[in-house]
Amino acid sequence: ILNVEQSPQSLHVQEGDSTNFTCSFPSSNFYALHWYRWETAKSPEALFVMTLNGDEKKKGRISATLNTKEGYSYLYIKGSQPEDSATYLCASIQDYGQNFVFGPGTRLSVLP
Amino acid sequence: DTAVSQTPKYLVTQMGNDKSIKCEQNLGHDTMYWYKQDSKKFLKIMFSYNNKELIINETVPNRFSPKSPDKAHLNLHINSLELGDSAVYFCASSRAGTSYNEQFFGPGTRLTVL
Repeated sequence: ILNVEQSPQSLHVQEGDSTNFTCSFPSSNFYALHWYRWETAKSPEALFVMTLNGDEKKKGRISATLNTKEGYSYLYIKGSQPEDSATYLCASIQDYGQNFVFGPGTRLSVLP
Repeated sequence: DTAVSQTPKYLVTQMGNDKSIKCEQNLGHDTMYWYKQDSKKFLKIMFSYNNKELIINETVPNRFSPKSPDKAHLNLHINSLELGDSAVYFCASSRAGTSYNEQFFGPGTRLTVL
């Protein structure tokens, strides 16, 4: 069973602060990594799909990096806004897509 | 237009009953999934179907059976419901393949077993 971890579990920042959090996953048999944003009472929404070591992706103020050799991905949010408040989930896919495991998420609260 | 829809949104039922949750996607995707959000709020994959064929079947009780009449639908049938089945169930879809394509989630179905 894959062990996908995320840290911190929760995070409170002030509006305008930049922040980042981590997703750790097994580096063996890596296939892809997904990031999702999950607002309370809504469904998860995809942010990024990353596959190659060294990948960097950006969407507005949010960006992500991937290190498949050491098994981690960082998600960065620049200039956090209250609407960024959500749980951010990563999902690791291994073994040619046969193993698909979500991490527990990082719950971000941005205070105005 | 809703991309991935689930019905019902809420389902309250007695132990021992059999129930189904329906999922439909209008995105033209080839792959559909069922997830269970457990009591700790973790999202765990249950099944994945690609073009009506099962490609992921995690360790779930065989009381849970996915049924895909066509590639736009993946219904979840649950026999002999137990208290521990109470959870939120999410359906999702993606373009062909599990790994490289982002998934689009439905709104979830909250199942309560009394």
